[in-house]
Amino acid sequence: SQTIHQWPATLVQPVGSPLSLECTVEGTSNPNLYWYRQAAGRGLQLLFYSVGIGQISSEVPQNLSASRPQDRQFILSSKKLLLSDSGFYLCAWSGPPGDTQYFGPGTRLTVL
Amino acid sequence: SQQGEEDPQALSIQEGENATMNCSYKTSINNLQWYRQNSGRGLVHLILIRSNEREKHSGRLRVTLDTSKKSSSLLITASRAADTASYFCATDGSYNTDKLIFGTGTRLQVFP
Repeated sequence: SQTIHQWPATLVQPVGSPLSLECTVEGTSNPNLYWYRQAAGRGLQLLFYSVGIGQISSEVPQNLSASRPQDRQFILSSKKLLLSDSGFYLCAWSGPPGDTQYFGPGTRLTVL
Repeated sequence: SQQGEEDPQALSIQEGENATMNCSYKTSINNLQWYRQNSGRGLVHLILIRSNEREKHSGRLRVTLDTSKKSSSLLITASRAADTASYFCATDGSYNTDKLIFGTGTRLQVFP
């Protein structure tokens, strides 16, 4: 069966510090991968998605970046965090595009 | 841009009552999905309905889709306290099926 992992679960970082969130998927190959951000009590904002290794589509201009160094690994990064980067970050994978997405447990990021 | 908008934003009911949530969207779709999110957790897929389907059931869940009105509804029958969660609709785009666009969500509170 397929599983999706995210770490860390929680993170508190000072403004201006770098960020690296990791997401890995097991039990499937060539998944579509997604990064979302969710502000408190709000809906999901799609940040990046990837349909293959090295292929990244950015949805929202910002100081975040994403990379997919391996088929089942998706990384969200920032060189310098802003207060507005605080939120709940969710990684998801799907098979065929537009099909069911399966979500990881999320990372709660607080930037102070 | 936001594709789905859920209505109401929040809903409070007693156990045993039915809960109805609505979703409206803007562009043509191939399918529409409903997800559930418990507080502080990742999203869990509930049901997918394709554009050529009008109604779908899964246990106590009933989803309808009206493509002429660009709207869908999720009915939870005989609600339980454990149904307390946020519910999101998500649509693909018939022109770009690589991603889903999530609505703003309905927060359902079921009181025992």
